[in-house]
Amino acid sequence: EAQVTQNPRYLITVTGKKLTVTCSQNMNHEYMSWYRQDPGLGLRQIYYSMNVEVTDKGDVPEGYKVSRKEKRNFPLILESPSPNQTSLYFCASSSGLAGGPYEQFFGPGTRLTVL
Amino acid sequence: AQKVTQAQTEISVVEKEDVTLDCVYETRDTTYYLFWYKQPPSGELVFLIRRNSFDEQNEISGRYSWNFQKSTSSFNFTITASQVVDSAVYFCALFLYNFNKFYFGSGTKLNVKP
Repeated sequence: EAQVTQNPRYLITVTGKKLTVTCSQNMNHEYMSWYRQDPGLGLRQIYYSMNVEVTDKGDVPEGYKVSRKEKRNFPLILESPSPNQTSLYFCASSSGLAGGPYEQFFGPGTRLTVL
Repeated sequence: AQKVTQAQTEISVVEKEDVTLDCVYETRDTTYYLFWYKQPPSGELVFLIRRNSFDEQNEISGRYSWNFQKSTSSFNFTITASQVVDSAVYFCALFLYNFNKFYFGSGTKLNVKP
C-alpha cells in the first residue's frame, strides 16, 4: 500500500529537549516536505527536499533541521524545541517534479506539545 | 506576503444546498500549479484536484467542480447538492515551479447540516 508514515503520532516534551520526527514514504517519490498546521494559518511549509542530499527552506524553517540521506526518509529535527513549536506536523511526498508536482501524499500527522 | 487567500473562514449550509469555496492566489510566475485538499474531522489530508497555470479549463468531478480564472487569480471550488459527508476543512494550495515551494491558504471550514 502506497503510504507516508510518521512517528511518533503524539509527543509531549519539554523545552530544550532535542527530538526527531521520522517520515518515510514507499512510493519512490523525489519531492518530500514538512508542514506545520496551526489554527487560522493553514499549512505552512517548513522544509522541502527535491531529492537525496538536496534540501531547502520553506516559509517557516527557523528552529528546525532536516536531512535526506535516503530517498524514502526525511526526518524533522528540533534541536531545542520551544513552546511556539507546539503544532500539528505533516510530512508529504510527491512525484512528477519535471512537469510539476502531482498530488502530495500526506502522512497522518504528528501532534507535538512543547511544555 | 500571503500568496493564497481563502477569505471564508467558515461556511454553514443545509444539506442539498450548493456551496462555493473561494480561493485567490498571488504570483508573478507564469508556471504554477493549484491544488485543493480536503481535511475531514479525522484529520487526514485528501487530494481533490491539481491544475497547472496553462490549463484554464474548468473541471467537473461528480458533485465537485472547479473554476480557474487567471484574469482574477482565482481557483474556486463548488460542491453541488452538498452532503453531510462534505463537512471538512478545505485547503487551496499554490506550487511555484521556479521555487519548488508550496503555499497553502488558511482553509475554509464547511459545515453541512442535515
